[in-house]
Amino acid sequence: TQLLEQSPQFLSIQEGENLTVYCNSSSVFSSLQWYRQEPGEGPVLLVTVVTGGEVKKLKRLTFQFGDARKDSSLHITAAQPGDTGLYLCAGSRGNDYKLSFGAGTTVTVRA
Amino acid sequence: DVKVTQSSRYLVKRTGEKVFLECVQDMDHENMFWYRQDPGLGLRLIYFSYDVKMKEKGDIPEGYSVSREKKERFSLILESASTNQTSMYLCASRGSSYEQYFGPGTRLTVT
Repeated sequence: TQLLEQSPQFLSIQEGENLTVYCNSSSVFSSLQWYRQEPGEGPVLLVTVVTGGEVKKLKRLTFQFGDARKDSSLHITAAQPGDTGLYLCAGSRGNDYKLSFGAGTTVTVRA
Repeated sequence: DVKVTQSSRYLVKRTGEKVFLECVQDMDHENMFWYRQDPGLGLRLIYFSYDVKMKEKGDIPEGYSVSREKKERFSLILESASTNQTSMYLCASRGSSYEQYFGPGTRLTVT
């Protein structure tokens, strides 16, 4: 059983549409990260959130950390083909520097 | 830029062979990690190291061992490769911040 549950597992949308990816857990995390991974490459960090209720924006990407620090969401506005990839959430508990990863959401943006 | 390199991008080995996967980072990071990535399961931690010659088991250490003789290098060893170890192997390093920096991965096939 994964500590972090991501949904949906797959998402295919048309260029210009919006999308949201969810990352949920019954555990509390001290920090939560979102990574994007492209085929044949390792994951690359997009953002780290550490405060309950925190919202961070990275151009067309909006990341939110739940008030209770148990869940997070990633929203992409006006998706572009360059947003295609595997999106992974990962959480750290307490002072533990290990990360627990979700299974990932594969996003495909069609031109 | 942080760089994490892995010795091979693709590797094909036979059942029972001893396999070495090498990882090198150039940022003087204390912490290094080995994960395997399988579809639908996300990244699962095999072993990690927080200092030279120090190691700790992750979530799935069975069938694997590691070596860290120098700070910049972390090796993953499959003592006797089996077909269920066919996977993508990712190495990561981490300094004082939350971010983990990943290498490009080694896709290992055991036949």
